[in-house]
Amino acid sequence: DTGVSQDPRHKITKRGQNVTFRCDPISEHNRLYWYRQTLGQGPEFLTYFQNEAQLEKSRLLSDRFSAERPKGSFSTLEIQRTEQGDSAMYLCASSLVAGAGADTQYFGPGTRLTVL
Amino acid sequence: AQSVTQLDSQVPVFEEAPVELRCNYSSSVSVYLFWYVQYPNQGLQLLLKYLSGSTLVKSINGFEAEFNKSQTSFHLRKPSVHISDTAEYFCAVNPMNRDDKIIFGKGTRLHILP
Repeated sequence: DTGVSQDPRHKITKRGQNVTFRCDPISEHNRLYWYRQTLGQGPEFLTYFQNEAQLEKSRLLSDRFSAERPKGSFSTLEIQRTEQGDSAMYLCASSLVAGAGADTQYFGPGTRLTVL
Repeated sequence: AQSVTQLDSQVPVFEEAPVELRCNYSSSVSVYLFWYVQYPNQGLQLLLKYLSGSTLVKSINGFEAEFNKSQTSFHLRKPSVHISDTAEYFCAVNPMNRDDKIIFGKGTRLHILP
């Protein structure tokens, strides 16, 4: 088990460009989460998938953001027409949920986005 | 709704001294509780968690946290810190009626002074 991986680790882009991030969860995990973390804040929930179904989206996830998990394994997060306010660390987490109980999430190293 | 308050944004402490990082939460339902640690330029790592049973939970690197239901607190302690403990620590809650929700505090940055 290699843990949750994210690619790229850093992304610098110009305002107005589109960017796409990838997350590979722990292999047997059925849930995958995306969070955004800005300086001085804890992670803020964006969206999550159970298998390939996107079950919830935060109001933070504007129309410019889209996430997919087509085969229930890896996921992509795309931001269209980036704005400077999108600059943040984007974190992916995964978990295995098999009935009632706590959802212990395991985080990847994050993708740091800088929009110039 | 749930919320998590970490009262201290930064805590400086001398090496080998004890430390306590405070965490209080608010919730109308019972919760599971977590502490995550984020080392510089890394993602979050689960440090310890309280799900049920003994209210005192421990990590492998000497941290412990105690769940206090009456005070709605889950403070993190270590009797003797090391330089390697320099990191940001996040308290988080997971409401028992929503196993897909984790709400994080804003974090406490632990500075270890030589």
